[in-house]
Parts: sequence; structure tokens; C-alpha cells
Amino acid sequence: QVHLQESGPGLVKPSETLSLTCGVSGYSINSGYYWAWIRQPPGKGLEFIGSLYHSGGTYYNPSLTSRVTISVDMSKNHLSLRLSSVTAADTAVYYCARDAAIFNRPGTFDFWGRGILVTVSS
Amino acid sequence: EIVLTQSPATLSLSPGEGATLSCRASQSVGNYVVWYQQKPGQPPRLLIYDASNRAAGIPARFSGSGSGTDFTLTISSLEPEDFAVYYCQQRSHWQTFGQGTKLE
Repeated sequence: QVHLQESGPGLVKPSETLSLTCGVSGYSINSGYYWAWIRQPPGKGLEFIGSLYHSGGTYYNPSLTSRVTISVDMSKNHLSLRLSSVTAADTAVYYCARDAAIFNRPGTFDFWGRGILVTVSS
Repeated sequence: EIVLTQSPATLSLSPGEGATLSCRASQSVGNYVVWYQQKPGQPPRLLIYDASNRAAGIPARFSGSGSGTDFTLTISSLEPEDFAVYYCQQRSHWQTFGQGTKLE
């Protein structure tokens, strides 16, 4: 069974950089699939942030691409998210998820972490 | 960006009744629509992919249909554990989500 767990600071100051890690167990990231970050502001819907292919290629939501970096540490089997210049609008629960990419097309998230609430506030 | 509009925003039903949830795309997405269920304090759970295919372990009372711009998630007979928020998502052009339907 694939298990994902997000970790990182729960409070970030405006204009600073949000940094989160997603530890993956039960599956080796470099074996395949896409690996994604998705967020959900409190009481609102879901927003795709970006995704990383197991070989290292990335793609990001066009509305966030100038501020987002997703990377992978294969030795630790974990995924990282960095979001720069944050504002209160970036307050959300941040999820990492495995993308099954059925028929090799990204966008079918079959395993999710529990999520981590990140609040942007001074 | 493809916008997905879900209706109704809230659906009030009782256990044993059938539920029909709608998702409309701002342009054709083929059959590339995915449905998720989310309960309070939990991550979303994959239900249906590519409009009509149930994910592993999803009960047969959940079914999906549609193509192009109009999609439907049907729950044939509601169980108490089905009361949750349901999201549609398209994977035709990048990935975007609908705003959700709360089934109460």
C-alpha cells in the first residue's frame, strides 16, 4: 500500500517561501508514475499546483509557475514543494498525491497524503 | 483554462434515495473527467476516472457517465457513508477541478 505524508512548517510569513516535503513509503518514486502537489484553501475547492514525473520532468499550474518548484530526492524517496513570495491567498491545506496517469495521461490521483495546513500570516 | 461547473452546490437527500450530480465543462474534455469524494478532515478519494470507470474498491452503486462537456455522477442508493463533498476534475488540458457538490 502506498503511503504519503506531508511535513513542514504550519506558519509562513508573507513574502517568504513555503517549503514542504512529502515522504513516500510502499513505492519507490523512481519506479514510475507522476507525483503531484494539490492545495485546498479552508472551506474551498481543490487547486492543482504541479507535478513531477519519476524521471524528473515537471509541469506546473500556469497561474503559479513563476513561484513554484517541485523536486525529488530519490535517495530519501521524497518529494518537495517550494512556493515563493507567499501571501494570505496561499493559506491552504497542501496535499501530495500519486498520479496514476492512466493511459499515460496525467491527472488521476489515486493515493493522497493526509494534508498539511499552512497558514500565511505575520 | 477549462472551467468546470458543478450543480447543484448542495444536494439534500436521505439514505436509500438516488443521487445525480452534474459537472459541466467550459469546452470539450472528451471523456477525461475524474470524480472524487471528500469527507471532512480527509483527503479526496478517487471514485471514477475517464467519465465512467470505477476505481479499485469503489462500490457498484457509484457510476459515471457523459462525454464532451456534460458529465454525471450517479449514486444509485445512498448509504450513510456517502454523505460528503464530491468534486469533478478534468485531465484533458492540464488539470482543473470543479467547485464541489455537498451531498447532505
